[in-house]
Amino acid sequence: DTGVSQDPRHKITKRGQNVTFRCDPISEHNRLYWYRQTLGQGPEFLTYFQNEAQLEKSRLLSDRFSAERPKGSFSTLEIQRTEQGDSAMYLCASSLVGATNEQFFGPGTRLTVL
Amino acid sequence: AQSVTQPDIHITVSEGASLELRCNYSYGATPYLFWYVQSPGQGLQLLLKYFSGDTLVQGIKGFEAEFKRSQSSFNLRKPSVHWSDAAEYFCAVGRGNRDDKIIFGKGTRLHILP
Repeated sequence: DTGVSQDPRHKITKRGQNVTFRCDPISEHNRLYWYRQTLGQGPEFLTYFQNEAQLEKSRLLSDRFSAERPKGSFSTLEIQRTEQGDSAMYLCASSLVGATNEQFFGPGTRLTVL
Repeated sequence: AQSVTQPDIHITVSEGASLELRCNYSYGATPYLFWYVQSPGQGLQLLLKYFSGDTLVQGIKGFEAEFKRSQSSFNLRKPSVHWSDAAEYFCAVGRGNRDDKIIFGKGTRLHILP
């Protein structure tokens, strides 16, 4: 069991650039979640997928954000035209519906927008 | 909409002393409740969860929590803390579907005095 992995672990970019993060869930998990955590705050829900279907998106997810899970396995989160306010830790989690009832979190990708 | 309040931003206890971290939630129906721990550089780890049944829930690392519907609380306790318990603790609430998104509190940072 390799756990949830995220890549990259750290990303520094300049304002206005596009960035893409990848999340690989636990292999048999069919749900995948994205959260964002800023300094001194708890994680905030962004979006989640069941298999390849995106079931819900938070109002926090502006038009500059897009997430995909094309084959129901790994997922990508893209931020276009990054802003300094996008600086945060982006967390991915996965779960197996109806089984463990537990979301397993990855280590996160820390984004710094200069 | 559901929400979580953790009234203590920081708590300091001496090693070997007992611990109680407070959590109040707001949700119209029976909530699903969680406590997660986040150590520096580590991902979120589930300590325990409450879905139904016995209101006193046992978790990992010697932690327990008690669900009190009348007080809308789900406080985390440990009889004797260890230096390795120093971390950030998040209380969280889920909606009626066990595999749904989680709403986190802002966290309580636990400091341990030697």
